[in-house]
Amino acid sequence: GQSLEQPSEVTAVEGAIVQINCTYQTSGFYGLSWYQQHDGGAPTFLSYNGLDGLEETGRFSSFLSRSDSYGYLLLQELQMKDSASYFCAGPPTGFQKLVFGTGTRLLVSP
Amino acid sequence: GAVVSQHPSWVICKSGTSVKIECRSLDFQATTMFWYRQFPKQSLMLMATSNEGSKATYEQGVEKDKFLINHASLTLSTLTVTSAHPEDSSFYICSVQPGSGANVLTFGAGSRLTVL
Repeated sequence: GQSLEQPSEVTAVEGAIVQINCTYQTSGFYGLSWYQQHDGGAPTFLSYNGLDGLEETGRFSSFLSRSDSYGYLLLQELQMKDSASYFCAGPPTGFQKLVFGTGTRLLVSP
Repeated sequence: GAVVSQHPSWVICKSGTSVKIECRSLDFQATTMFWYRQFPKQSLMLMATSNEGSKATYEQGVEKDKFLINHASLTLSTLTVTSAHPEDSSFYICSVQPGSGANVLTFGAGSRLTVL
C-alpha cells in the first residue's frame, strides 16, 4: 500500500534540535512535504523537497533521499510554540493527491 | 496564498440526521478540492477529491452514498454526511491546491462533527 511511517512521539527541551524521520513503504512518492498541526487546528505547510537534498526555511530544514525512501524534518532552536503534530506527506507517483504520514507529536518542555 | 473558509467549525447532531459542511475558496478558483477526515490523535485520511462540475473521486473504503460531495462552482465544495452515526464523529477538513504541484495544500479550519 501507500504509506509513510513516522515515530509517534518525540520530546525535547527548549533551544534543542530535533529530527523527525519519515520513511516510505511504497513504490514511490513524487516529492515530500511537511505540515504542522496544533491541537484543534488545521495543518499548515512547512516545507517541500522535490529533489534529493536539504531545504532550509528559517529554523526548519527538510531533507529527502529518494533512493533511500527517507526524509526528515529538522527543527532548530526549539520553542514552546513548536509543540504540535508534524506530518510528512507526498503524492503517490502518478496521482495529484496528497497522502499523509502517520504523524509525530512533538512535545517541547522548558 | 489561497484562503479557505470552512463552515460550520463545529456541529452536534442526532444519529440518523444529515449534516452539510461547506468549503469555500475565497481568493482562488479551485477546480479541485480535497476532503480529509481525522480521528483524535490520528493522521489525516483522504476521503475524496472534489472536482468542479463533475463527480468526486472517492478513496477506497469511503462510501460515496454516505459522504455526498458537490462541487458546483470554482469556489464552493460541500460535504454532506448522510444518516450520521456516532462512528462518523470526526474532524473533517477541506483543502485546495493553489499551485501546480500536488505537495502544497492550503487547508480550511476544519469542522468538528459530533453525532449523539
